[in-house]
Amino acid sequence: AQSVAQPEDQVNVAEGNPLTVKCTYSVSGNPYLFWYVQYPNRGLQFLLKYITGDNLVKGSYGFEAEFNKSQTSFHLKKPSALVSDSALYFCAVRATGFQKLVFGTGTRLLVSP
Amino acid sequence: DAGVIQSPRHEVTEMGQEVTLRCKPISGHNSLFWYRQTMMRGLELLIYFNNNVPIDDSGMPEDRFSAKMPNASFSTLKIQPSEPRDSAVYFCASRPDRAAEAFFGQGTRLTVV
Repeated sequence: AQSVAQPEDQVNVAEGNPLTVKCTYSVSGNPYLFWYVQYPNRGLQFLLKYITGDNLVKGSYGFEAEFNKSQTSFHLKKPSALVSDSALYFCAVRATGFQKLVFGTGTRLLVSP
Repeated sequence: DAGVIQSPRHEVTEMGQEVTLRCKPISGHNSLFWYRQTMMRGLELLIYFNNNVPIDDSGMPEDRFSAKMPNASFSTLKIQPSEPRDSAVYFCASRPDRAAEAFFGQGTRLTVV
């Protein structure tokens, strides 16, 4: 069975500093990996995905993520955080050949001015 | 495209009543997902369809829950009878192909009193 772990319930960072939101996964075979963001009272918005190819994936709003197969990780990063980045972030995984998308528990990012 | 459309946005009902949530996926998308989000359990996949056929309903909590997709442009999630513990935000999402990301609706906030 596939699963996702987001070990931090909350990440606090000052505006202008780099941010990292951690994600590790477990899946049989090659994974499809995704990051989504959720703002209050809204649905989930897609940020970026890893399917194959370059391990460093760039996405929306200046976010990027690095796929690390040996560590089964897919951490979300941004070089310089904005207050407007404050939201709930979800990592998700899907096994190749399967359609079921499994989400982590989410990490709340708080960026202080 | 208007995106995934869910209705109603908010629903308040009394325990024991039937509740029907509706979803219109993005045109051309062949996979549809129903998720439930609560503080305690996070995002749970309830059921997903591919080409209008239910593929995996193992996440449906009990027989009180049922979902249908009579055609490619419409799906319903029904709870009968509803209970207070069903209170949650229910999301519908659709996806165009196996490798692509899923697009989420705004959600239906259900409160059962």
